[in-house]
Amino acid sequence: DTEVTQTPKHLVMGMTNKKSLKCEQHMGHRAMYWYKQKAKKPPELMFVYSYEKLSINESVPSRFSPECPNSSLLNLHLHALQPEDSALYLCASRPLGGRDEKLFFGSGTQLSVL
Amino acid sequence: LAKTTQPISMDSYEGQEVNITCSHNNIATNDYITWYQQFPSQGPRFIIQGYKTKVTNEVASLFIPADRKSSTLSLPRVSLSDTAVYYCLVGTRGGFKTIFGAGTRLFVKA
Repeated sequence: DTEVTQTPKHLVMGMTNKKSLKCEQHMGHRAMYWYKQKAKKPPELMFVYSYEKLSINESVPSRFSPECPNSSLLNLHLHALQPEDSALYLCASRPLGGRDEKLFFGSGTQLSVL
Repeated sequence: LAKTTQPISMDSYEGQEVNITCSHNNIATNDYITWYQQFPSQGPRFIIQGYKTKVTNEVASLFIPADRKSSTLSLPRVSLSDTAVYYCLVGTRGGFKTIFGAGTRLFVKA
């Protein structure tokens, strides 16, 4: 299994809603990432978890709350988002400790905030 | 992390070889170079990675000169399906930060 699976594929939410994005991988990768990508822009790094601990938070607003409950799962909890948060949210994973430093990406969740 | 600079866009025709060059003047000794391809509404996909000289796989070649201040991704005989955005990234071995530059939009025409 060489896939990173993200659910849902599409999400529409209001500014007062609470929702969660889910990411799953079964490749044994111990680093997992969240990126945000606006249309025609490169992916922007949000968070990195290594060994289920938060390693990097790129000054992301607190309305985005990441969680890594185990080595296969990564969640992004969303609360009180703004319309400008509408974007494609990408999850990625990477093995640690070897020579291979490439990221495996999921297909993303297309989020629309109304 | 070293900043990368790539052409904003390139055009090519089917069957041609395409070379996309990336500048990374401030690359450090432990840094390596990775290229990703991205289609609309999909996550980026790894193409190739290298540290120095030349690396080749079934999809592409990566040429890195001795000073490592630039790298060139070579796509042999492109097809329409190679129309995508190509990102050059510089990363530190063992580091976690993987930052994408602006990327190059490649248009392949029939």
